[in-house]
Formats: sequence, C-alpha cells, structure tokens
Amino acid sequence: AAGVIQSPRHLIKEKRETATLKCYPIPRHDTVYWYQQGPGQDPQFLISFYEKMQSDKGSIPDRFSAQQFSDYHSELNMSSLELGDSALYFCASSPRMHGSNTGELFFGEGSRLTVL
Amino acid sequence: AQKVTQAQTEISVVEKEDVTLDCVYETRDTTYYLFWYKQPPSGELVFLIRRNSFDEQNEISGRYSWNFQKSTSSFNFTITASQVVDSAVYFCALRVGNTGKLIFGQGTTLQVKP
Repeated sequence: AAGVIQSPRHLIKEKRETATLKCYPIPRHDTVYWYQQGPGQDPQFLISFYEKMQSDKGSIPDRFSAQQFSDYHSELNMSSLELGDSALYFCASSPRMHGSNTGELFFGEGSRLTVL
Repeated sequence: AQKVTQAQTEISVVEKEDVTLDCVYETRDTTYYLFWYKQPPSGELVFLIRRNSFDEQNEISGRYSWNFQKSTSSFNFTITASQVVDSAVYFCALRVGNTGKLIFGQGTTLQVKP
C-alpha cells in the first residue's frame, strides 16, 4: 500500500540558508501535518492543512512557512536556518472520516535536516 | 490543557521478559483519542493502536496488549515475551476532539537484550 512520501530524506544546510521539504500524502488523504522532532525529543506539532487551507498551527517559527497544493502534496519552507533547526521533520496524513478528523495519522519516514 | 506523561525514560529487559510501558494523559475534553507509536532506530514512526475515549475495552494484538483505564487516565502498553526487534522508542499520544494534531509523551526507550 502507498505510504506518505517525504523528500529529501536527508538534507545538510549551512546557517542562514533556506531549505524546502516535500510531502506526498497517502492517496485520498486530504489532511497533512508537519512535526519537528529534535534529538532525543518527542515530535512537536508545527502546522496542518485540510483541503489546501491551514487548519491548525502549533509551534512553527515565523521563519518557516508551509502550504498544501491542489494535488494535496505539501511543502515546508524554512529560511534563515539556525543550528537549532537540526531535527527530523515528519509529515503525516489522515483522511477525514464522516466529516471529522478522527482517523489515525500515518507518518512518513521523515526528513533529517542538519544545519552546520 | 492537554498533556501526556510517560514517566519511564528508559527500560531495559532481557529477551522473553514481559514489559509494560506506562502512559498517563490529561485532558478536560470528553472526546479524545489515544495512540501508541513505535520509533525504531531507523527513525520512522510506526502506528500501533488508536483508542477513542468511549471505548475502554482492552485490546490484544499478538504479543501486544493495551490497558485503557479512564478512572486513572492511563493507557498502558504491554509487550509479552519481548524480542530484540522490539527495541525502540515508544510514544504515547493524545488527540483531542476534532483537532488533527497529536500531543506526544516524552517517549520510553525500550532496550531488549538477547
């Protein structure tokens, strides 16, 4: 079965550079979530989209932005990268069930960003 | 406020031992969902189980079982006859109402030694 696809899997950037992560949800999943997991930490919710509109916002820095496109894939753009942005970034998708968001989240394998 | 606490930071057992991972949650909502995810060394998050707040039935899936008790706000996870491949970080998570986001606990690192 198709899973959530994230690219790139690994990314190395210098401080103050920009990075873009991509996420392709499971087919027919219309909700996408972004999480950030620092070393030894639990995943922290950044932002989510439903039907191409932002549906919820968590602890996402102002330097970060994201969007969901018409084909439901999503991109997380990170600018002015800092050392502390080094983390594993997960994308997850879920379907709406009976009009509400109660399904489990299916996570991609993550994109590991290293900022030097 | 919503919160998930996994008090056990690390657990080490010998293969074939049973092990229970504790999870305590806090929420004032009456509708919520609880999850367990496994994160092996390779890093991906693997979904294990979802329970909603209206279903307190315990569940067993092979060597895995879950004990959901609303009275103590706990959703504990037991692995029977542990195996080396069970070594991973296990996260308990809470989703409240109709929101999509998950609130994760701090995770429990389980090491199963041969």
